[in-house]
Amino acid sequence: LAKTTQPISMDSYEGQEVNITCSHNNIATNDYITWYQQFPSQGPRFIIQGYKTKVTNEVASLFIPADRKSSTLSLPRVSLSDTAVYYCLVVPTDSWGKLQFGAGTQVVVTP
Amino acid sequence: NAGVMQNPRHLVRRRGQEARLRCSPMKGHSHVYWYRQLPEEGLKFMVYLQKENIIDESGMPKERFSAEFPKEGPSILRIQQVVRGDSAAYFCASSEIEREEQYFGPGTRLTVT
Repeated sequence: LAKTTQPISMDSYEGQEVNITCSHNNIATNDYITWYQQFPSQGPRFIIQGYKTKVTNEVASLFIPADRKSSTLSLPRVSLSDTAVYYCLVVPTDSWGKLQFGAGTQVVVTP
Repeated sequence: NAGVMQNPRHLVRRRGQEARLRCSPMKGHSHVYWYRQLPEEGLKFMVYLQKENIIDESGMPKERFSAEFPKEGPSILRIQQVVRGDSAAYFCASSEIEREEQYFGPGTRLTVT
């Protein structure tokens, strides 16, 4: 499984855009990139998933360059409730069941 | 549609006792996954089950831990003879057949005294 590297923490103010970059240099051809969000004392929640280029949903955007060795999760106009840990995962299509979580990025949004 | 349910939410056990953690998947989901999260760490995969079958238990400690997902009823994660190092949050997740998105429950926080 490809290893992921992401910043330990990021601080932001309300209303700003937050971009979290994740490195996954050893990503394989059949791997997808998936992001989860976790609030304190809760289970993780799926945010977004992509394979290449750009994916957007109502919560976030995911940018994946052509070489797929990194990806960037973009949270537009964050609010205090976006304070959470964000996990970048590389998920092989032949191993959907086994999600490998790293330490994640602690995002703190302040007024 | 109720989400993934776990009970109890908090469980306190003394060393040497048994802990039973229950997980009811979302309606229509037949795949269940268990993860463990130690303080200040990310989640670690433990086991992946389908009804009456263990698909992948590569993350389960070899001793004292077992899991099942019977034809009827919730999935059970059982820890025998608990030790202090078992204190952690245990999360269950479920998914539809052949869907990669996993829906997580609120977790059971196990404290071993």
